[in-house]
Amino acid sequence: GNSVTQMEGPVTLSEEAFLTINCTYTATGYPSLFWYVQYPGEGLQLLLKATKADDKGSNKGFEATYRKETTSFHLEKGSVQVSDSAVYFCALLTQGGSEKLVFGKGTKLTVNP
Amino acid sequence: GAGVSQSPSNKVTEKGKDVELRCDPISGHTALYWYRQSLGQGLEFLIYFQGNSAPDKSGLPSDRFSAERTGGSVSTLTIQRTQQEDSAVYLCASSGGGGRPNEQFFGPGTRLTVL
Repeated sequence: GNSVTQMEGPVTLSEEAFLTINCTYTATGYPSLFWYVQYPGEGLQLLLKATKADDKGSNKGFEATYRKETTSFHLEKGSVQVSDSAVYFCALLTQGGSEKLVFGKGTKLTVNP
Repeated sequence: GAGVSQSPSNKVTEKGKDVELRCDPISGHTALYWYRQSLGQGLEFLIYFQGNSAPDKSGLPSDRFSAERTGGSVSTLTIQRTQQEDSAVYLCASSGGGGRPNEQFFGPGTRLTVL
């Protein structure tokens, strides 16, 4: 079946530190991959996406590369800010039939000044 | 409206009561989804509507849960005889037609508390 595994948090970093949140997936076929972000008190927002192998999604200084050989989609940012504090969810979009998102359990990131 | 809206934003109910949660998708979006976010289970898919096709109900946790989408727009998720384990945030999302994949836009959610 389809599943997403992401590193458990919480993750606490100082401002300007390097961020990596690991995400691996299991899927039939070639799913599209996403990172969603949920800021405190707000709804779920798409952060970035990649639709095929070797694609790199990027937004707001965050990047993730679709690695088919390692079935991974790790999220990275070179220099985090306090405003990046949020919960990050890795997800895949199933194919063939209904297009539903399968989410990882989320990683809470806190960035301290 | 500009985004997906959901009502109510919060709902507190007693165990055994029925509740209805409403979702207004983005105008023109053909696909509508319900998800549930709970502490123990994370984000789970519940049900998916696409146009006039039969909905994918494979994520509904029990027969106490049902959903309908009227006129291809507004959707209502109904939970009958609520239980404490139904307490969660219920999220609705919609996406437009054409192209793959379609980005799903999420509403703010309804926080359901079953006492």
